[in-house]
Amino acid sequence: RKEVEQDPGPFNVPEGATVAFNCTYSNSASQSFFWYRQDCRKEPKLLMSVYSSGNEDGRFTAQLNRASQYISLLIRDSKLSDSATYLCVVKSGNTGKLIFGQGTTLQVKP
Amino acid sequence: DTAVSQTPKYLVTQMGNDKSIKCEQNLGHDTMYWYKQDSKKFLKIMFSYNNKELIINETVPNRFSPKSPDKAHLNLHINSLELGDSAVYFCASSRRGGEPQYFGPGTRLLVL
Repeated sequence: RKEVEQDPGPFNVPEGATVAFNCTYSNSASQSFFWYRQDCRKEPKLLMSVYSSGNEDGRFTAQLNRASQYISLLIRDSKLSDSATYLCVVKSGNTGKLIFGQGTTLQVKP
Repeated sequence: DTAVSQTPKYLVTQMGNDKSIKCEQNLGHDTMYWYKQDSKKFLKIMFSYNNKELIINETVPNRFSPKSPDKAHLNLHINSLELGDSAVYFCASSRRGGEPQYFGPGTRLLVL
């Protein structure tokens, strides 16, 4: 079983739609959680950290469920520019090692 | 200003050659990393340095040797390149271990 699992998609949605991605992790001792965004042929960029109480940044909402060991990302009012691969990232241990999921590809269509 | 930079951006070379990739960050971060992203898009950590000291060394062939001359630089030297080394190599840095990481633009390595 992979340490961080995501549905690779692709998710094809129309502009303005709401879309949600889930990610599960296997290590219950995982400490920190992030969502990164990676555009085609570009580097991953931090989208947002995920806090235990859930957090929101504009159209993006991240949630953490420690009991079920999953993280979610909700995107409201999708824009064409949201098309990218979204990487779920989990930090394990004290060395700062980040484990990346395979990513979920989102295509927003006009 | 570029926060994390890598050179070269593209590298095409023959099997058996030795090559180096350089990385520099101007963010004042203490920790730097090398990642490999293969054709299936998985990002896997290879090495991590904190203030020039190696702290993470994943199961990587010893043909790969990182070097950190100072905390702003982390280079990667690869000996005897093999076809399977073809991938995108990303450098990253963070203020310290465990904090969000900032990535360089990547070096696309193709071994023929």
